[in-house]
Amino acid sequence: QVQMVQSGSEVKKPGASVKVSCKASGYTFTSNTMNWVRQAPGQGLEWMGWINTKTGNPTYVQGFTGRFVFSLDTSVSTAYLQISSLETEDTAMYYCARRSSWGDFDYWGQGTLVTVSS
Amino acid sequence: EIVLTQSPGTLSLSPGERATLSCRASQSVSSSYSYLAWYQQKPGQAPRLLIYGASSRATGIPDRFSGSGSGTDFTLTISRLEPEDFAVYYCQQYVSSPLTFGGGTKVEIK
Repeated sequence: QVQMVQSGSEVKKPGASVKVSCKASGYTFTSNTMNWVRQAPGQGLEWMGWINTKTGNPTYVQGFTGRFVFSLDTSVSTAYLQISSLETEDTAMYYCARRSSWGDFDYWGQGTLVTVSS
Repeated sequence: EIVLTQSPGTLSLSPGERATLSCRASQSVSSSYSYLAWYQQKPGQAPRLLIYGASSRATGIPDRFSGSGSGTDFTLTISRLEPEDFAVYYCQQYVSSPLTFGGGTKVEIK
């Protein structure tokens, strides 16, 4: 069965970096793009962008450029989100989500909580 | 950017009642296909796909959930609320980038 398993919660200080992983299984990893979605505490869902799992080419939504990097290791069917120069405003749950052939997000990781606090 | 407006913000209902949730888009998300999905999110859990293409149920979704609409106006209906249906529901458009979500409707127990 299709599954995405994300890495565990992180607590970081402002200015530090964090790398979140999303390991996919149950399907051919390069058949679907991988997307990242942010959910700030008590807030709604915000699409951050996506990465082409065939080419590794990332696309970032406005507001998620510069400090945010999407990457892959196709040998282990894993997508990564790295955030540098962390700010307290980056405190949120981060989800990876597979985009289906129709375009919706049919499978989601369980989420990784990143807390940025001094 | 397509803005999705969900209403109401909160719906207070009892188990067994019918829930009707609305999602309105700032511009059409339909052509021959409606690029509109609905997700359910329970506390502490990831969102789960319920409906895609405005009206197609995702795998394993009970038939008490139904979606309708086209163009700019869409509805998610839960015919008879079960205890496990009390959650937050989001609509999403995927016709154009950036993909956007509505602000959510919370369905709470009355």
